[in-house]
Amino acid sequence: DIQMTQSPASLSASLGETVTIQCRASEDIYSGLAWYQQKPGKSPQLLIYGASSLQDGVPSRFSGSGSGTQYSLKISSMQTEDEGVYFCQQGLKYPYTFGAGTKLELK
Amino acid sequence: QVQLQQSGAELAKPGTSVKLSCKASGYTFTSYYIYWVKQRPGQGLEWIGYIYPGNGGTYYSEKFKGKATFTADTSSSTAYMLLGSLTPEDSAYYFCARGPPGYNYVMDAWGQGASVTVSS
Repeated sequence: DIQMTQSPASLSASLGETVTIQCRASEDIYSGLAWYQQKPGKSPQLLIYGASSLQDGVPSRFSGSGSGTQYSLKISSMQTEDEGVYFCQQGLKYPYTFGAGTKLELK
Repeated sequence: QVQLQQSGAELAKPGTSVKLSCKASGYTFTSYYIYWVKQRPGQGLEWIGYIYPGNGGTYYSEKFKGKATFTADTSSSTAYMLLGSLTPEDSAYYFCARGPPGYNYVMDAWGQGASVTVSS
């Protein structure tokens, strides 16, 4: 199975701060990567797919980049509603696998 | 709008089975994958597999073969997952999610989740 490693495991950011979350795949996944946000007690919500395509309705402060085995999610200006856990997921090979998550809190 | 409405919480005894449902609305049920994902409390996400209601095709992660069985009723736009031979390790939230054709690994709409608790 393809292993997805996220870093950091947790971080705190101030309002307006730029946040970057990293995701590394154990092999080249050819941009077959999605990012999700999960808030406490809620189901995950899709933010980014194809490594860099913004899902409809997601604020433009979210962006994704990367290729090969290294990917990142950037929040350009941290907002209160961005608190939650962020997961990356590879879609190259079955079984699809997720990173362990990054918990983002407001400082 | 697109909605996936899941069945309620289940409390089951070890060795028994539970059948979770996921009722879709707001889109053409047969044109999208339905994925199932497991999440233990405070843990990450684990992909179980999918069913494609258009042709009934299924795929199971190796870990869940023999544990999970997917079915779909196109007349009611409802997908089901049967979890059998339950053990305490099956206690978790289970989500269904929709996968669009084209980017079929993507899960662009999710159900609210269903809690399964396995206890004697």
